[in-house]
Amino acid sequence: NAGVTQTPKFRVLKTGQSMTLLCAQDMNHEYMYWYRQDPGMGLRLIHYSVGEGTTAKGEVPDGYNVSRLKKQNFLLGLESAAPSQTSVYFCASSSAGTSGGADTQYFGPGTRLTVL
Amino acid sequence: AQSVTQPDIHITVSEGASLELRCNYSYGATPYLFWYVQSPGQGLQLLLKYFSGDTLVQGIKGFEAEFKRSQSSFNLRKPSVHWSDAAEYFCAVAVEYGNKLVFGAGTILRVKS
Repeated sequence: NAGVTQTPKFRVLKTGQSMTLLCAQDMNHEYMYWYRQDPGMGLRLIHYSVGEGTTAKGEVPDGYNVSRLKKQNFLLGLESAAPSQTSVYFCASSSAGTSGGADTQYFGPGTRLTVL
Repeated sequence: AQSVTQPDIHITVSEGASLELRCNYSYGATPYLFWYVQSPGQGLQLLLKYFSGDTLVQGIKGFEAEFKRSQSSFNLRKPSVHWSDAAEYFCAVAVEYGNKLVFGAGTILRVKS
């Protein structure tokens, strides 16, 4: 049981390049999330998904796209990377809570992205 | 709008001393509250959570937190800090029926021997 895994762990891009970050979970969780972490700002939600085939915007969605074609995978895409997207990206997943909505979120190890 | 405030950016305590990390939240409905810990270069690990019931919640690694509705607070405590507790600690509140987490900016804990 690997939990939440993220690929790659590190990446350096040049401005304008594109890339996709992959998140996979083996806990059969319905909900998946992408966050970015910047110094002094905690984690901010980029996009999330409440089930296969669904996605929704979070707090800072601009410049990112996501897809959830399979329940266990959640992809985060940068179509044209900018230096402002230099950050550490975390994926998380959770099951549905007993009273509706999501339960505790479990986090992956993160991807450190640098955009030059 | 929902928000979480962690007033202390850095805290330094001596090994063996007690610890309290402060967290205040702003949320209109009944909150679901969490404390996560992040060691350098690692992901976030759940320490404890409050959904309902007893307002004093026990977590892993000897941590506990107390929910005080009147003060909108969810402070994290540990009676005796170990050097391995040095890390960054995040408080979070779940909003929109738990579908989203709003995080505080974090508190960096340093432990001196």
